[in-house]
Amino acid sequence: AQSVTQPDIHITVSEGASLELRCNYSYGATPYLFWYVQSPGQGLQLLLKYFSGDTLVQGIKGFEAEFKRSQSSFNLRKPSVHWSDAAEYFCAVGADTGGFKTIFGAGTRLFVKA
Amino acid sequence: GAGVSQSPSNKVTEKGKDVELRCDPISGHTALYWYRQSLGQGLEFLIYFQGNSAPDKSGLPSDRFSAERTGGSVSTLTIQRTQQEDSAVYLCASSLGGWQFFGPGTRLTVL
Repeated sequence: AQSVTQPDIHITVSEGASLELRCNYSYGATPYLFWYVQSPGQGLQLLLKYFSGDTLVQGIKGFEAEFKRSQSSFNLRKPSVHWSDAAEYFCAVGADTGGFKTIFGAGTRLFVKA
Repeated sequence: GAGVSQSPSNKVTEKGKDVELRCDPISGHTALYWYRQSLGQGLEFLIYFQGNSAPDKSGLPSDRFSAERTGGSVSTLTIQRTQQEDSAVYLCASSLGGWQFFGPGTRLTVL
C-alpha cells in the first residue's frame, strides 16, 4: 500500500537560510510524487511534481526536489527562505492504477524567523 | 469556472443532523477527490472518482459518510447523523493529468 512519511512536524529556519523538508514514501513501483503548500487561509497549491525523467525537479517559488529511488525519498529544498514561505508543506504520492489515487503525508509546518 | 469551487464555505450544524457539502470541479477534469483536514492534521483521503469507474471509497471513515458525482461533474459529500468528531475542513480536488487542483474547502463545525 502507498504511504508517505514526513518525519518533521515543524521546522524553524532563519530568513535567508537554506531549507530541506524530508519526505519518504512507500510504493511498489515508480511513484508519482508531489509537493503541495498550504499557506494560512489559503488553499493547497502544487509546488512541483515528479512523474519520470530527470530526478531533480524544479518548482514554483524557487523550490526544487530530488527523487532518490534508493532512499525512497523526495526531499524538498530551497536555497534561501523568504518570510513568505512560512506555511504547511505536504508531500504526496500517487499511483496511476487506472485512476490516480493520491496519498498525502501529515505535513511539515515551516516557521521563518527574521 | 476557473477553479474548483466548494459550498458552503462554512457550515455549523447540530450533532445528529445530516449535512451536504458540494464540490464543483474544474470543467473537463475527469478525477475528483474528497479529503478531510482536521485541525493541525494532514489530509485524510476520503473518496475518489475517476471518470465512469466505480469510486474508490476506501477512505470513508464510517457508513455515515457517502458521496456521489452526478454527470461526471458536480459532487456531493453527505454526512449523516453528524458527530462532533466530524468537525473539520473538507477539501475537494479535481485533476486531469495526475496533479490536483484544490478548492477552498468547507469548514464544518458540529456543535
